[in-house]
Amino acid sequence: GDSVTQMEGPVTLSEEAFLTINCTYTATGYPSLFWYVQYPGEGLQLLLKATKADDKGSNKGFEATYRKETTSFHLEKGSVQVSDSAVYFCAPSTGNQFYFGTGTSLTVIP
Amino acid sequence: DTGVSQDPRHKITKRGQNVTFRCDPISEHNRLYWYRQTLGQGPEFLTYFQNEAQLEKSRLLSDRFSAERPKGSFSTLEIQRTEQGDSAMYLCASSKAAQVTNTEAFFGQGTRLTVV
Repeated sequence: GDSVTQMEGPVTLSEEAFLTINCTYTATGYPSLFWYVQYPGEGLQLLLKATKADDKGSNKGFEATYRKETTSFHLEKGSVQVSDSAVYFCAPSTGNQFYFGTGTSLTVIP
Repeated sequence: DTGVSQDPRHKITKRGQNVTFRCDPISEHNRLYWYRQTLGQGPEFLTYFQNEAQLEKSRLLSDRFSAERPKGSFSTLEIQRTEQGDSAMYLCASSKAAQVTNTEAFFGQGTRLTVV
């Protein structure tokens, strides 16, 4: 069945460091790909998305590119801030549901 | 539009009692999803509706779980004879079905259930 594998955390970075969170998926169809973020005490929020191969989703300095050949959707940010501390979820969707990974907890220290 | 609304935000119940949660989706969204999230884990899919039709319910955790969306608007999730293992955050999400691509889902704040 469809599934997603996400880089395990927790991840601790210093402010302005480069961030990569790996995500690979398996899907029977042609999924759309999403990254959601959960800030402390808040609900899940969409961070970015890509709906077809080679599309790049971007938001708030974060980027991820839909790589169909490697079935990956790695999240990157060139310079993290303390306010980026949160849990990040990769979530492919084939329409009838979103498949979530276990989440990667990121802590950014000043 | 105020987004996806869930009620109550917190529920404490005794083992064996029944509980019901409500979700009000974004008004123009025809898809509605229920997920469960336990501490340190990602959301786990339970069921989803397109309008009033429940199109997937095989992932409901047991026959104690049931969901309805009678008029294609709000939805309820009921858990009968609650057990301590049911303690979790129950999340509702809604989206607008698209013919070609899958649109993003918008999540509510969740209902945190504690079974004592």
